[in-house]
Amino acid sequence: EVQLVESGGGLVQPGRSLRLSCAASGFTFDDYAMHWVRQAPGKGLEWVSGISWNSGSTTVYGESVKGRFTISRDNAKNFLYLQMNSLRDEDTALYYCGRDVERNKWRGVDQWGQGTLVTVSS
Amino acid sequence: DIQMTQSPSSVSASVGDRVTITCRASQGISSWLAWYQQKPGKAPKLLIYAASSLPSGVPSRFGGSGSGTDFTLTISSLQPEDSATYYCQQSNSSPWTFGQGTKVEIK
Repeated sequence: EVQLVESGGGLVQPGRSLRLSCAASGFTFDDYAMHWVRQAPGKGLEWVSGISWNSGSTTVYGESVKGRFTISRDNAKNFLYLQMNSLRDEDTALYYCGRDVERNKWRGVDQWGQGTLVTVSS
Repeated sequence: DIQMTQSPSSVSASVGDRVTITCRASQGISSWLAWYQQKPGKAPKLLIYAASSLPSGVPSRFGGSGSGTDFTLTISSLQPEDSATYYCQQSNSSPWTFGQGTKVEIK
C-alpha cells in the first residue's frame, strides 16, 4: 500500500524558515516524480514544486515560491523535503506531498498524503 | 504561466444526470491535462490524466476529453457520492497550474 506521511508544519513568524518532510513507502520511490501542492484555508489548490525521478536532477517551482523554496529528495531514505525560507503570510496553507501517477513521467498526482499545516503569522 | 479557466464555477444536478465541466487553457497544452475531485477535509483524488486516461479504481462514469486548449470532464450518471469540488490541472509546462474549481452539488 502506498503511503505518504508529511511532517514539519507548524506556526512560524514571517521571514523565518521551515522544512517539511514526506516519508514515502509502498512503492519504488526513485521511480517517480514527486510534488508539493498546497491549499490555503477555504481556497483552491496550488501546485508548489516538483522534482524528477531518479536523482531528482530536475526541480521546478511555482512563481509564488521560486527563489524562496527548495525541493529535494533522499532516495536512500525514501523522503521528500521542502525547505521554505523567507516565509510570508500568504504561504499559510495545508501542504500536501504527492506522487506522480506514472513512473518516469510528469503526468498528475495520484497518491497524496494527509497534509501538514503551515501557519505564517506574527 | 498557463492560466486554466473552469466553467461553470458551480453546478447543481440530480442523481442520474449527465454533468459536464469544461476547462480552458490560456495556451495549447496538447493532452497534458488532469482532473481531480476533492471532498471537504480530504486530499484531492486523481480522476483523469493525460486528458482521457482513468487511473485504476476510478469509476467508469467519469470521462475526459479534449486537446489543445479546450477540455471536458463528464460524469455520465451523477451519484450522491460525486458531490465535491473538481479541479483541472495542466502538466504541459512548468509551473503546473490548476483551475479555480467547480463545485458539484446534488439537488
